[in-house]
Amino acid sequence: NAGVTQTPKFQVLKTGQSMTLQCAQDMNHNSMYWYRQDPGMGLRLIYYSASEGTTDKGEVPNGYNVSRLNKREFSLRLESAAPSQTSVYFCASSIKGFSGGRGETQYFGPGTRLLVL
Amino acid sequence: QQPVQSPQAVILREGEDAVINCSSSKALYSVHWYRQKHGEAPVFLMILLKGGEQKGHEKISASFNEKKQQSSLYLTASQLSYSGTYFCGTVTGGGNKLTFGTGTQLKVEL
Repeated sequence: NAGVTQTPKFQVLKTGQSMTLQCAQDMNHNSMYWYRQDPGMGLRLIYYSASEGTTDKGEVPNGYNVSRLNKREFSLRLESAAPSQTSVYFCASSIKGFSGGRGETQYFGPGTRLLVL
Repeated sequence: QQPVQSPQAVILREGEDAVINCSSSKALYSVHWYRQKHGEAPVFLMILLKGGEQKGHEKISASFNEKKQQSSLYLTASQLSYSGTYFCGTVTGGGNKLTFGTGTQLKVEL
């Protein structure tokens, strides 16, 4: 049982390049999330998928796209990377989402450290 | 809107107690607490739900004041392993997302 896995662990991009961050979970969770973490800013939600087949924008979606490939996998794509996207990216999952104000524990992956030059 | 955490940072000697606060400008449905050690992923500590239900860590306690839209995390008899950054996350009325605060850095020294 690996939990939430993310690839790659580290990445350096040049401005304008594209890349896809991969995330997979083996806990049979319905909901998956992408966050970015910047110093002093906490964790900010980029996109989330409440269930397979659905995706919604979070607080900071500009410059990103997502795909919920199946129940296990949720990818984040940067089409044209910018220095402002330098950050640590965390994927997380939970059994269900937060609709109705309840919700379960989120389990986080180890993170991807991205540097855009 | 992000919840506000206080203090931003605190240094303790081993065995001392600490309180970390989390305030929201909107009505809260639930408050979630996480701890993150340097270079690692956040780890779940506790959920407090509207109505008083709690789920979480045996050695950590927290309160949830629905009227004041606040939550406090109580760390007693601190240990070196308590060091890290503590985040509260909130789900506000009608919302379906978890919004995190900017964190409280806690350092426990000998």
